[in-house]
Amino acid sequence: TQLLEQSPQFLSIQEGENLTVYCNSSSVFSSLQWYRQEPGEGPVLLVTVVTGGEVKKLKRLTFQFGDARKDSSLHITAAQPGDTGLYLCAGAMVGSGGSNYKLTFGKGTLLTVNP
Amino acid sequence: EPEVTQTPSHQVTQMGQEVILRCVPISNHLYFYWYRQILGQKVEFLVSFYNNEISEKSEIFDDQFSVERPDGSNFTLKIRSTKLEDSAMYFCASSSRGRGYTFGSGTRLTVV
Repeated sequence: TQLLEQSPQFLSIQEGENLTVYCNSSSVFSSLQWYRQEPGEGPVLLVTVVTGGEVKKLKRLTFQFGDARKDSSLHITAAQPGDTGLYLCAGAMVGSGGSNYKLTFGKGTLLTVNP
Repeated sequence: EPEVTQTPSHQVTQMGQEVILRCVPISNHLYFYWYRQILGQKVEFLVSFYNNEISEKSEIFDDQFSVERPDGSNFTLKIRSTKLEDSAMYFCASSSRGRGYTFGSGTRLTVV
């Protein structure tokens, strides 16, 4: 059973601060995806990282995949109140059918950015 | 931006009743999935579907669950005899290559 541990579980910061959230596993994933989920809504894909050591940037968000493809981080620069939400990481593994990827989700980091 | 559409958004049902949750995946996607999220818990994989058959299912997806693609656009999840512990948000998702998913907004199922 693959497990993804996210930390911290809760994070409350002031507008303008930087933050990093972490996603760790003992399993190797073929790719790792970061999602943002609003209350009562489905997860919305932010980014997919595939190659060990890969870094992707999405405006003020920087995503990194660990060299061994077991862990990832999300760094937000100059956080804004609009960044408030639940951030989920999900590891993708090829399913037993060989033609699909199933996702294993972490519990998420609930970020609150105070004005 | 293409969307995955789920109906209904809320469903309340009595224990033991059958429910059908409906999804319209993105039209050119080939892989379809159902996930669920019990309140306060992780999003959990239920089943994946490709080429008109189940390609993988989790241990949660027991004999009371079934999926169907009755036509070229709909993808349904049926729960034959609902239990209290089936209460959760159920998310449908689709993908073109199995890496980047698009999730629907979910159906909140409440079993009373």
